[in-house]
Amino acid sequence: GEDVEQSLFLSVREGDSSVINCTYTDSSSTYLYWYKQEPGAGLQLLTYIFSNMDMKQDQRLTVLLNKKDKHLSLRIADTQTGDSAIYFCAESRRSGNTGKLIFGQGTTLQVKP
Amino acid sequence: KAGVTQTPRYLIKTRGQQVTLSCSPISGHRSVSWYQQTPGQGLQFLFEYFSETQRNKGNFPGRFSGRQFSNSRSEMNVSTLELGDSALYLCASSSIPGQGYNEQFFGPGTRLTVL
Repeated sequence: GEDVEQSLFLSVREGDSSVINCTYTDSSSTYLYWYKQEPGAGLQLLTYIFSNMDMKQDQRLTVLLNKKDKHLSLRIADTQTGDSAIYFCAESRRSGNTGKLIFGQGTTLQVKP
Repeated sequence: KAGVTQTPRYLIKTRGQQVTLSCSPISGHRSVSWYQQTPGQGLQFLFEYFSETQRNKGNFPGRFSGRQFSNSRSEMNVSTLELGDSALYLCASSSIPGQGYNEQFFGPGTRLTVL
């Protein structure tokens, strides 16, 4: 199937770490992405990970990939109020010469001061 | 470099009408994809164009169509609008599609409301 699933809502306090989880079903996924969407805006690519990697760190962002369980997570360290947004995980598939992305439903991150 | 631009940003139409949305990709990008975003269905892939050819199409009725011009600009058209077509339509551009890393740059979207 084409399912990519995420929890819908996460609330944290400013300064805490946030962990947003995602599961996917297709083992042919090549790259997995995390996008951020602020109100009234399009999608901004935050980070990505290639399917043969386990972890990727980029400043405050850490992506963990468990291929066996088809589980992806995004950890945001020292979460700030400006991190409040909707976060989407997305996958691209190995089959076909296409840029099509399959998105999860999005996780709304609420950061309380 | 200028980002992806979409026009118009907001649109209100009535049922039965048709609508055309426009997307200008980042200069030098030849691939354009369209997505529909709704609260109920989330982000769903509509279609993808590369060098004026449709490479991939999502699971949408034939009322949804698109095209790409020689300058890589793309349009999508929705005919016989239904209430359920109300959505944010996002366009994304990338240099080339493929099986490798494919960073897609998204525009701000066109918010379509069907009354």
